[in-house]
Amino acid sequence: AQSVAQPEDQVNVAEGNPLTVKCTYSVSGNPYLFWYVQYPNRGLQFLLKYITGDNLVKGSYGFEAEFNKSQTSFHLKKPSALVSDSALYFCAVRDHSGTYKYIFGTGTRLKVLA
Amino acid sequence: SQTIHQWPATLVQPVGSPLSLECTVEGTSNPNLYWYRQAAGRGLQLLFYSVGIGQISSEVPQNLSASRPQDRQFILSSKKLLLSDSGFYLCAWTRGQGVYEQYFGPGTRLTVT
Repeated sequence: AQSVAQPEDQVNVAEGNPLTVKCTYSVSGNPYLFWYVQYPNRGLQFLLKYITGDNLVKGSYGFEAEFNKSQTSFHLKKPSALVSDSALYFCAVRDHSGTYKYIFGTGTRLKVLA
Repeated sequence: SQTIHQWPATLVQPVGSPLSLECTVEGTSNPNLYWYRQAAGRGLQLLFYSVGIGQISSEVPQNLSASRPQDRQFILSSKKLLLSDSGFYLCAWTRGQGVYEQYFGPGTRLTVT
C-alpha cells in the first residue's frame, strides 16, 4: 500500500535561514509526489510535484523539492525563509492501485521566526 | 481559468439535523472530484471521490453520503449529523486523465452542537 510520512509535527526556523520540511514515501512503482501548503482556515494550495525527470523540482513562492529515489524521500526546501511562509505543509502521493486517490501525510507546521 | 466554489463557508448545526454541502467547479469538464474532512487543523481524511456523473466511491463514512448530479457539481449530505461530524470539509478536483495536482476549494467549517 502507498503511504507518505512527515516525521516532524513542527519545524521552527529563523527568517532568512534555509528551511527543510521532510517527507518520505512508500509506493509500488514510480512515485507521483506532491507538496501543498495550507494557511489557517483556507484550502490547500499546490506548490510543486514530481512525476518524472529532474530530481530537483522548482515550484511556487520560491520552494523546491528534491526527489531521492534511494532514500525514498521528497523533502521540501527553500533557501531563505520568510515569516509569511509560516503555515501547514502536506506531502502527498498519488495512489497506484488503479484508483484516483491521493494519500496525504499528517502535515508539518512550519513556523518562521522574525 | 478554473475555479472551485464551496458553500456555505461556515455552518452550525444541531445533532440529528440534516446536512448538505455543495461544491462546484468552473472552467473545466470531466474533473475528478473529492471530499475530504480535516479535524483540528491537521491531517486530511478522504471521504468520497468521483470520476464521473453518478460514480461515487466511498472511503469511510457511515452517516455521510455524496452525490454528483452534474459533471461539475459534488454534494456531501447527511440525514442525521453526529457530534463527530464537526470539522473542516474540503472539496478538491483534478483533471480526469493522467496524474495531476489537486485544486482545493476554500472549505466549509462545520460545527455540530
